[in-house]
Amino acid sequence: DQQVKQNSPSLSVQEGRISILNCDYTNSMFDYFLWYKKYPAEGPTFLISISSIKDKNEDGRFTVFLNKSAKHLSLHIVPSQPGDSAVYFCAADYGGATNKLIFGTGTLLAVQP
Amino acid sequence: DTGVSQDPRHKITKRGQNVTFRCDPISEHNRLYWYRQTLGQGPEFLTYFQNEAQLEKSRLLSDRFSAERPKGSFSTLEIQRTEQGDSAMYLCASEGGQGGYTFGSGTRLTVV
Repeated sequence: DQQVKQNSPSLSVQEGRISILNCDYTNSMFDYFLWYKKYPAEGPTFLISISSIKDKNEDGRFTVFLNKSAKHLSLHIVPSQPGDSAVYFCAADYGGATNKLIFGTGTLLAVQP
Repeated sequence: DTGVSQDPRHKITKRGQNVTFRCDPISEHNRLYWYRQTLGQGPEFLTYFQNEAQLEKSRLLSDRFSAERPKGSFSTLEIQRTEQGDSAMYLCASEGGQGGYTFGSGTRLTVV
């Protein structure tokens, strides 16, 4: 029962172009969504988040869009840089006391110079 | 702030042996989480501490697994009678106030 899904295992983009990573979820009780980036042999690092009451959040080159009716969110990276090459995880939070996160399976982004 | 530290980084053990991992969170963070990540999957929640109290455990955490956080500081995760299916990356994260989780680099367990 995968509540958070990242259907693209990998994505390849040219340097300078836009990278768009997608994430779908099934549980309408999620009220907070996050993107994490992971390099090999390191733990995930927080990138950007969005509350369910918003539809867009922007931080520098990174923008997250949330479409609640479609239960879909996306991460846009523009312009993409070779250092962005990593695995990107989408995660969702029910809120409440625990702040337990439900992660997707990840998308490997390769930015070609 | 030296981040979240996990020890060891790698552990190879024979099936049936017990293993223990340690996590040192960011000192002012009162919440501590353990996650497990297997190949091709995202991290999966195992358990959560608020200070020294273990407040939630996943059904993934069988009775062979035990976690502690004495005095609300570092935490240990012990796996007894390891099985090959326990091979995974075990991630610790801490959280306090704004800014969300900070993950450690993980302990990669290989059961042979």
